[in-house]
Amino acid sequence: QVQLQQSRPGLVKPSQTLSLTCAISGDSISSNNAAWNWIRQSPSRGLEYLGRTYYRSKWYSDYAVSVQSRITINPDTSKNQFSLQLHSVTPEDTAVYYCARGYCGGDCYSFDYWGQGTLVTVSS
Amino acid sequence: QSVLTQPPSVSAAPGQKVTISCSGSSSNIGNNYVHWYRQLPGAAPKLIIYDNNKRPSGIPDRFSGSKSGTSATLGITGLQTGDEADYYCGTWDTRLSAVVFGGGTKLTVL
Repeated sequence: QVQLQQSRPGLVKPSQTLSLTCAISGDSISSNNAAWNWIRQSPSRGLEYLGRTYYRSKWYSDYAVSVQSRITINPDTSKNQFSLQLHSVTPEDTAVYYCARGYCGGDCYSFDYWGQGTLVTVSS
Repeated sequence: QSVLTQPPSVSAAPGQKVTISCSGSSSNIGNNYVHWYRQLPGAAPKLIIYDNNKRPSGIPDRFSGSKSGTSATLGITGLQTGDEADYYCGTWDTRLSAVVFGGGTKLTVL
């Protein structure tokens, strides 16, 4: 059974960097049949896809245009986890952040396992 | 404003059938698979339909999905009070190069 365990919630000040990790058990981050995603949810923006990392002979990361200029998603193979960094945050980045596995038996864009969610509040 | 359009709410009596629609365009639903999620309060979304009409292991056949053109539909038969939740559709959008979601539909089982 795949499980995704997210790092604990936090308060981030405006203009600083939001950092989260997602530890994977029951699967390998280097799997050729999965992609590892970050998605957030807020009352004002609903569910919003942020980006992903995945391994296909080499590592790839791709990001939603809405956050492309200030996001980094990296794998950590030594810990079987992946991370999210979102730079220059504003109060609009306040949301519950989820990590999720993309199932690549189909198109990789169905998310079959999710982390528990982490509330991140951006406030001074 | 979500890229995919869902009704804000639907309701039906226990034992009845309900359908939830998801409307998009040729850049998303029209040319990509649609997936459906159920979200209970305070919990993460859960995948209930993938690739338009496939059910993950453990999802009962009371749940079904279909797609026609630029719209998709989630069907739930034999409604139970435990089906009360928010339901979301999602798909890849080729123009936006991102996964997009509907705004969610709150199902009430009266």
